[in-house]
Amino acid sequence: DAGVIQSPRHEVTEMGQEVTLRCKPISGHNSLFWYRQTMMRGLELLIYFNNNVPIDDSGMPEDRFSAKMPNASFSTLKIQPSEPRDSAVYFCASFRASGGPEQFFGPGTRLTVL
Amino acid sequence: AQSVTQPDIHITVSEGASLELRCNYSYGATPYLFWYVQSPGQGLQLLLKYFSGDTLVQGIKGFEAEFKRSQSSFNLRKPSVHWSDAAEYFCAVSGAGSYQLTFGKGTKLSVIP
Repeated sequence: DAGVIQSPRHEVTEMGQEVTLRCKPISGHNSLFWYRQTMMRGLELLIYFNNNVPIDDSGMPEDRFSAKMPNASFSTLKIQPSEPRDSAVYFCASFRASGGPEQFFGPGTRLTVL
Repeated sequence: AQSVTQPDIHITVSEGASLELRCNYSYGATPYLFWYVQSPGQGLQLLLKYFSGDTLVQGIKGFEAEFKRSQSSFNLRKPSVHWSDAAEYFCAVSGAGSYQLTFGKGTKLSVIP
C-alpha cells in the first residue's frame, strides 16, 4: 500500500496568492482529516470528511480556507488569499473505521508564505 | 472537551538509558489513546494504541505504554533508548463515535551518546 500521498511536499508562495494542497488517502479508507502543525499551536484539526462529506469544519481558521473531497481518492485544501501566518506544515490523514480508529498520516506539505 | 497534556517539552537521555514520556488526558468517556512519533521533516508514525483490554500495550520499536484510568495517564516507556529514537513524540486521544484526534503539544527527545 502506498500510504497517504500529499503534494506538493514544499510550497513557497507570496502573500495574496492562492495555494492548493492535495491529498490522496489510503485506498479503502472512508475518513480523511486535514491538520495544521505550527510551533505555537501544535497539531490542530482543520476539517474532517466521512464518506466524502465534510463532518466538522470548526477548525478551519477563516473563510480564506476551504476544503473539498470530490471523490473517495482525492481531497484538496485551498487557501485564498494566503497570508504569512498561514505558514505551517499541513498534514492529511485517513482511516477506515472498520479497521480500527488509528489514523495514518501523510508526509505533510510545508507551506511558506512570504 | 477532550484535551491532552504532555508536561515535558524536551527530554535528554543517554543512549542505553530508560525512558518515560508522560501524557495526561481529559476525556468524558472511555478514551482511545495513541502515541505517534515524528522524525524531523517527516509525517507522524503510529507507535502504539490503546482501545480496551490489557492496560499495558506494546508497540513498535520496543516501546510500551500503560493506561491508568485512575490517573488519566498513558505514559510511554522504553527500557533502553537508541540514538535513532531521537524525535518528537505526540500523545493523542479520541473516542468511539468521534474519531477526531486531539494531540498534546509533543515532547522532543534528544539522545546523547
